[in-house]
Amino acid sequence: ETGVTQTPRHLVMGMTNKKSLKCEQHLGHNAMYWYKQSAKKPLELMFVYSLEERVENNSVPSRFSPECPNSSHLFLHLHTLQPEDSALYLCASRQVLTGSYGYTFGSGTRLTVV
Amino acid sequence: KNQVEQSPQSLIILEGKNCTLQCNYTVSPFSNLRWYKQDTGRGPVSLTIMTFSENTKSNGRYTATLDADTKQSSLHITASQLSDSASYICVVSDRVTGGGNKLTFGTGTQLKVEL
Repeated sequence: ETGVTQTPRHLVMGMTNKKSLKCEQHLGHNAMYWYKQSAKKPLELMFVYSLEERVENNSVPSRFSPECPNSSHLFLHLHTLQPEDSALYLCASRQVLTGSYGYTFGSGTRLTVV
Repeated sequence: KNQVEQSPQSLIILEGKNCTLQCNYTVSPFSNLRWYKQDTGRGPVSLTIMTFSENTKSNGRYTATLDADTKQSSLHITASQLSDSASYICVVSDRVTGGGNKLTFGTGTQLKVEL
């Protein structure tokens, strides 16, 4: 384990369902990220929370809704998704404002929308 | 537009052989370059991080090089093992106003090591 835990590891949902992805980090980091990884594409940054405030939202459709209740937990709420949203969703964390460059990634949630 | 291009897209080598993966980037202003290893179904794991002043950095059998003038990096894997089979992703960070940075990801090189 890397210190960043994502659940569930796999999720299959219908287009009308509502589900949530969870990320928890045990590293004492103060910034957390959601990335989307589709086949043969670079990782796409979705959301950034730094010091528990959302600082970036990369034109992500409103059917994806992030929540960061504290510096250790990050959620991605999903509703009325489309089949093209099927991908690996990765959470990452890092310590900002200290000059550290290191990002730590979780193992991801493999999402399939049917 | 910041871009990171990796080559080859995929590679198959025999166990015990060496290989070199390439990364070219157009990210500016440059902050640092990272190589990650991503096993199938897992998240990326950092192998090396290099700043502007570093030309080479090693992590076991992995050696990364950086030429900031030509904006090229390579990852050399020595004496490959079956467990090296994975996707290797080059990631370049720029330095944005305010002291933050943004990451630009390559699409990765898919390496398969065979017996």
